[in-house]
This record gives sequence, structure tokens and C-alpha cells, in this order.
Amino acid sequence: LAKTTQPISMDSYEGQEVNITCSHNNIATNDYITWYQQFPSQGPRFIIQGYKTKVTNEVASLFIPADRKSSTLSLPRVSLSDTAVYYCLVGGPGSARQLTFGSGTQLTVLP
Amino acid sequence: KAGVTQTPRYLIKTRGQQVTLSCSPISGHRSVSWYQQTPGQGLQFLFEYFSETQRNKGNFPGRFSGRQFSNSRSEMNVSTLELGDSALYLCASSLPTGTSGDYEQYFGPGTRLTVT
Repeated sequence: LAKTTQPISMDSYEGQEVNITCSHNNIATNDYITWYQQFPSQGPRFIIQGYKTKVTNEVASLFIPADRKSSTLSLPRVSLSDTAVYYCLVGGPGSARQLTFGSGTQLTVLP
Repeated sequence: KAGVTQTPRYLIKTRGQQVTLSCSPISGHRSVSWYQQTPGQGLQFLFEYFSETQRNKGNFPGRFSGRQFSNSRSEMNVSTLELGDSALYLCASSLPTGTSGDYEQYFGPGTRLTVT
């Protein structure tokens, strides 16, 4: 399983776009990049997943450069309710069911 | 569609006792995984069950065990509880497709276990 590195914490203000970058230098050819969100005392919630280039859904975008050694989760116009821990996970189908969570990034959205 | 449910939500036990936690996956999901979350160690994988068989196991002592029933419901058991077992225990279910979809797991609210 590829090791990931994320910032420990980030602060932002309501209405701003937030970009959280994850480094995964040892990503393998079959690996996908997945992001989860977790609020205190709740289970993590799947946000988005991608393999290369850009993926967008109703809550976020995921940007993956050509070398795939990093990825950036982009949250448009954050609100106070986006305050949470965000986890970047990297792995392939064979190991996918054993999710390996790093320390995550604590995002705090300020009014 | 109902989400993943876990019971009980909160539990207080004393050292040396044993505990059983229950998880009901989303209807149609056949894979159930268990995780332990503590402030110091973060989220750690315990084990994963599919079709009543344990397929993956994390690095936890044998005091931690689990099982899955034919209806995909799962239980985990911790015997001879230690203070360090105090944690949030999370269950997640997924449709094991053997593809990237395995990473889309759905977590329950967790069981908060306190060992005194």
C-alpha cells in the first residue's frame, strides 16, 4: 500500500475554495486515489475517487497530474459544515478492502 | 436505502470482561470491514469478512475476533478487555467488485467502547 503525506491542518474562511494536496510518491500502476471526510464521532464518508486527470462530482473535484505522485482535493466555496478531517487513500483493487488511513488533514472553516 | 447500523452505540465495560459489537451492512452489500479508531493511533483496520469468511486481517492480537452470518450481518468480539481497547469501533460495508469500487466503503456511526 502506498504511503501518503498530507498537511496536518488547514484553515479557511467560508466561501473560499480549499485545496488539500496529498503526496503519494510510491503509487503503483493499479492504484486509485480516494478521499474520505470524517466528522467527530462519526464514520468516514466517501467523497471522491480518481485514477488520473480530473474527476468532479457534486461535492468536490480531484486533480491528478500525469505522474500521479500527488493529488489535490478541491472543495469549492466551503462552509462551516465542511470542518472535518479529510483522508487521502491510495491503493489498488487487491488491497482496497483494507483501507489504510493516514493522519488526515484537519480542515477548519472559519466564519 | 438504509445505511450501515451498529449496535450498541455506547458501551462501558471493565478490564477483563469481553464485549460483542454488531454491524448490519447496507442491503445487498456482502463485504463488512471493522476498524478501530483512537486519538493516538488513528483509524486502524481490524478485519474484513465476505461470504462468512475472513479475507483480510489487520495487525491486532487474537483477543479481537469476528464473524459474519449468512445475511451478511457481522459481529466482532473482544475478549479480556484492556484499558487500551477504549476506542470508537467502526464497521464499513461495500459491494466487493474486485475493482476500484472496493474503495467506496460505507461506514456506520460506530460503537464507542469505554473500558474502565
